[in-house]
Amino acid sequence: EDQVTQSPEALRLQEGESSSLNCSYTVSGLRGLFWYRQDPGKGPEFLFTLYSAGEEKEKERLKATLTKKESFLHITAPKPEDSATYLCAVQAGDYKLSFGAGTTVTVRA
Amino acid sequence: GAVVSQHPSRVICKSGTSVKIECRSLDFQATTMFWYRQFPKQSLMLMATSNEGSKATYEQGVEKDKFLINHASLTLSTLTVTSAHPEDSSFYICSARAPIGEAQYFGPGTRLTVL
Repeated sequence: EDQVTQSPEALRLQEGESSSLNCSYTVSGLRGLFWYRQDPGKGPEFLFTLYSAGEEKEKERLKATLTKKESFLHITAPKPEDSATYLCAVQAGDYKLSFGAGTTVTVRA
Repeated sequence: GAVVSQHPSRVICKSGTSVKIECRSLDFQATTMFWYRQFPKQSLMLMATSNEGSKATYEQGVEKDKFLINHASLTLSTLTVTSAHPEDSSFYICSARAPIGEAQYFGPGTRLTVL
């Protein structure tokens, strides 16, 4: 069974204080690893798809990386508007997504 | 691009009534859509996979007679919660699989409250 573990559960940052979120996974036949951002009361917003170890993707202050066992989401010089829950999900052969519990990031001005 | 809408965004109903939630892909055709449920402070749990023109596939533990799914066109899937009870109160979110690549794009969610 696919397993996705995210750490930490919560992260409180000062504006400008860079940090990283971790997503560890076990899956048979990884088709893709996905990062989403979710604001309270909203649906998840797509950020990145990573397909193979060594791959990196960037979007504004966010950078996602992938190894064979885990993925990191780096937040560089965060701003208060980066406050959200960040979800990691893996997809195996049947296109279903298995989600981690998420990391709730709070950035203080 | 890749916009998914849901309607309604919020619904309050009495116990025993049925509620229909619509999920539309606005700018792409989606042969596969997914329905999730999310409880407070928890992650998304997949309920079922909806394939256009065929029966939905339900996850273990999800009652298919209670949660009716119809995927009548390439841009519309509906979830009907039949004979709703307070324990069905939750945040229901749909997603649509993009035609190119592997990403799923999510709707804004529907908050269901059953009194």
